[in-house]
Amino acid sequence: GAVVSQHPSRVICKSGTSVKIECRSLDFQATTMFWYRQFPKQSLMLMATSNEGSKATYEQGVEKDKFLINHASLTLSTLTVTSAHPEDSSFYICSAQVSLERDTQYFGPGTRLTVL
Amino acid sequence: GEDVEQSLFLSVREGDSSVINCTYTDSSSTYLYWYKQEPGAGLQLLTYIFSNMDMKQDQRLTVLLNKKDKHLSLRIADTQTGDSAIYFCAERNQAGTALIFGKGTTLSVSS
Repeated sequence: GAVVSQHPSRVICKSGTSVKIECRSLDFQATTMFWYRQFPKQSLMLMATSNEGSKATYEQGVEKDKFLINHASLTLSTLTVTSAHPEDSSFYICSAQVSLERDTQYFGPGTRLTVL
Repeated sequence: GEDVEQSLFLSVREGDSSVINCTYTDSSSTYLYWYKQEPGAGLQLLTYIFSNMDMKQDQRLTVLLNKKDKHLSLRIADTQTGDSAIYFCAERNQAGTALIFGKGTTLSVSS
């Protein structure tokens, strides 16, 4: 099946620093990748939709200057949390859409970000 | 707007059947999905159903769709302790560009 990886799986950083999270589709090409945020015991909230070679589309309320998304290739999208603050601590999950295959999204294992 | 609702908790005994229910609002949804999330992990696609189907069976999993009532259910037969997880129902948004998730149902299986 389609495999999506994320790196790192867990990161702890100091307040004010920037953190980059990578999302890779390992055995398929993904035209579209999605970034979600999940708070404890909550559902997944879509942050942005990333299409290869174009600017990401952000959901209402998500600061595009704070959450920088780059989708440089058909297998890699990155999310950079800039000037991180403790309230940015969360579980970030990416997903990749397998084009031409029933629009099914396959999810990465998630990245736990803790900002001190 | 688009919304997906699920009950938050379900507790069953090992060997029993589990039924997790979900309601959604967007009648134009083409695909509806069930995902499983184990503690500290990402989401695993369990199954999906196309909106013109009433039922889909995949080994121990049975999905029932009542499009008139916008009700989706996931039945897990012979529930095992390894099935303990959070189960998310999801529909595709109106633009067709993303998934709308319910809050998730925590399934607890006791032996």
